[in-house]
Amino acid sequence: GDSVTQMEGPVTLSEEAFLTINCTYTATGYPSLFWYVQYPGEGLQLLLKATKADDKGSNKGFEATYRKETTSFHLEKGSVQVSDSAVYFCAPGGADGLTFGKGTHLIIQP
Amino acid sequence: EAQVTQNPRYLITVTGKKLTVTCSQNMNHEYMSWYRQDPGLGLRQIYYSMNVEVTDKGDVPEGYKVSRKEKRNFPLILESPSPNQTSLYFCASSLSLPLTGYSYEQYFGPGTRLTVT
Repeated sequence: GDSVTQMEGPVTLSEEAFLTINCTYTATGYPSLFWYVQYPGEGLQLLLKATKADDKGSNKGFEATYRKETTSFHLEKGSVQVSDSAVYFCAPGGADGLTFGKGTHLIIQP
Repeated sequence: EAQVTQNPRYLITVTGKKLTVTCSQNMNHEYMSWYRQDPGLGLRQIYYSMNVEVTDKGDVPEGYKVSRKEKRNFPLILESPSPNQTSLYFCASSLSLPLTGYSYEQYFGPGTRLTVT
């Protein structure tokens, strides 16, 4: 079945630092790809998505590009804020739903 | 407001006492799913449903039951809870199952934190 590899962290950065969270996956065919974010005490919410190769998803200053050749969907943000502290999940879409990575815990310090 | 609701949000119970966690969505979604979230394990799918009266096992179905009698509701049933089912549970829904090469966004409920002693 599908699988996802992403670093779990915690990843600790200072405010305004550049962020990269790597995500690689194995899946059948060319799935849609998603990043979800979970703020403390809340459910998951969609951050961004891409549905085909070379598509770039973006939202709230975050970006990720669908790289078919490397089966990757790395999340980036140029300048993080304290409010970005959360857990981030990468998820390819499969025939029976989404497969989630273990999540990357991001901590942004002022 | 489009949303997925779960009840209760918090539950402490004892081993063997049957319980039900309700899930309801108001978006007329066909697909619904239950996950559990555990530290170091991420989200794992328990059961999912493609439509009314159609359910299927996910990755960790043992000890759980579900039903889908109405499109909007997808309750999770623990007939005889055990301490290893202590976890954070999420219900999610999406418009439909994926088309070839395309998946729909899933909308998540706020979570139910279950403790079984």
